[in-house]
Amino acid sequence: GQQLNQSPQSMFIQEGEDVSMNCTSSSIFNTWLWYKQDPGEGPVLLIALYKAGELTSNGRLTAQFGITRKDSFLNISASIPSDVGIYFCAGQLDSNSGYALNFGKGTSLLVTP
Amino acid sequence: ETGVTQTPRHLVMGMTNKKSLKCEQHLGHNAMYWYKQSAKKPLELMFVYSLEERVENNSVPSRFSPECPNSSHLFLHLHTLQPEDSALYLCASSQTRAGVEFFGPGTRLTVL
Repeated sequence: GQQLNQSPQSMFIQEGEDVSMNCTSSSIFNTWLWYKQDPGEGPVLLIALYKAGELTSNGRLTAQFGITRKDSFLNISASIPSDVGIYFCAGQLDSNSGYALNFGKGTSLLVTP
Repeated sequence: ETGVTQTPRHLVMGMTNKKSLKCEQHLGHNAMYWYKQSAKKPLELMFVYSLEERVENNSVPSRFSPECPNSSHLFLHLHTLQPEDSALYLCASSQTRAGVEFFGPGTRLTVL
């Protein structure tokens, strides 16, 4: 699969702060996805992006599909303790590559009250 | 039950045991997946089934054997595993092969 570079690897912030994380790739993707995984659970889909330049929000979360189609970022505004978890980006290829999802290694977020 | 469910949630097995992981999706999806999640590594796709036909097998050792009897159920049969196979095994499903994937809670597998 294609390698995604996700950064930062971890973040330790105070409640109320804004958070930003991003993913970059050497390959072009048709779809970018952002998932959150809580300890002992599977990843839960947060936001799906389908077009270059698309900016989509889900509550306090905002994600953008980069113009080059090789990157995406996720912002969380006014973080709260329940935002703690691991955030994964995933890029989906096209039919020629079997629609495979390629995942980043995750950003571990810790929020202190 | 809604979404994607997996059983058991935790499994400890010896290297000579045979066990099976079960996944069930209640979303009416046509594609199902097995992933392996190990610490410090990206999720690794193992198998893909689309309309009950295996369409992808990513060089997974034969000690892992998938089975998809219908579009709602997916099994992963385990036989003579190694300690390095210890990981979180995630099942996912999507409307079609090209669709967004929804994950189950995973089975935490420990091989002794």
